[in-house]
Amino acid sequence: GAGVSQSPRYKVAKRGQDVALRCDPISGHVSLFWYQQALGQGPEFLTYFQNEAQLDKSGLPSDRFFAERPEGSVSTLKIQRTQQEDSAVYLCASMVVGAEAFFGQGTRLTVV
Amino acid sequence: GNSVTQMEGPVTLSEEAFLTINCTYTATGYPSLFWYVQYPGEGLQLLLKATKADDKGSNKGFEATYRKETTSFHLEKGSVQVSDSAVYFCALRTNAGKSTFGDGTTLTVKP
Repeated sequence: GAGVSQSPRYKVAKRGQDVALRCDPISGHVSLFWYQQALGQGPEFLTYFQNEAQLDKSGLPSDRFFAERPEGSVSTLKIQRTQQEDSAVYLCASMVVGAEAFFGQGTRLTVV
Repeated sequence: GNSVTQMEGPVTLSEEAFLTINCTYTATGYPSLFWYVQYPGEGLQLLLKATKADDKGSNKGFEATYRKETTSFHLEKGSVQVSDSAVYFCALRTNAGKSTFGDGTTLTVKP
């Protein structure tokens, strides 16, 4: 595709529900990042993949958050037992190592 | 750890006014510096970047110079347009590729 694609664009979840957010990176981009952007703030790093290897997950806020990229392309961010504080925009970015990062439009998660 | 502090907004200017949005950073090593723009309803887009000290990034009339001595990367534009209304984010990136962002500055340009 032409850019990074994220789905769904909007997700409303009841507190305690599990959610899965998908990221389709630009074809051939080795590096993939997930960020969390709370309202009125800048994106905060969650986790980083190089191909299928998760090299850094230091930003994941709790063990309820889990990310995978099993074939080194599409990635899924899963949040278990969602809480209200998980409400945010989740951004995915992909890049060739050392080059510009391209961001998707994000998934806006609202936990009610 | 790494951090980015940018000028709080919102900033409201009249068309053709001069724009400055301040950005300072704290980082270990020698990061690359970026300005991203987010138009309403759209994703983050790279506006400009600089990869080493004294580099000047420029795009669409916007400029920013990587100042190592003051750890700054202020964004400037000589004459803003209504279409420049957006949220602007300053960011740094380490060699690993992980980025650290400021909290964003909302710019509104009035005709």
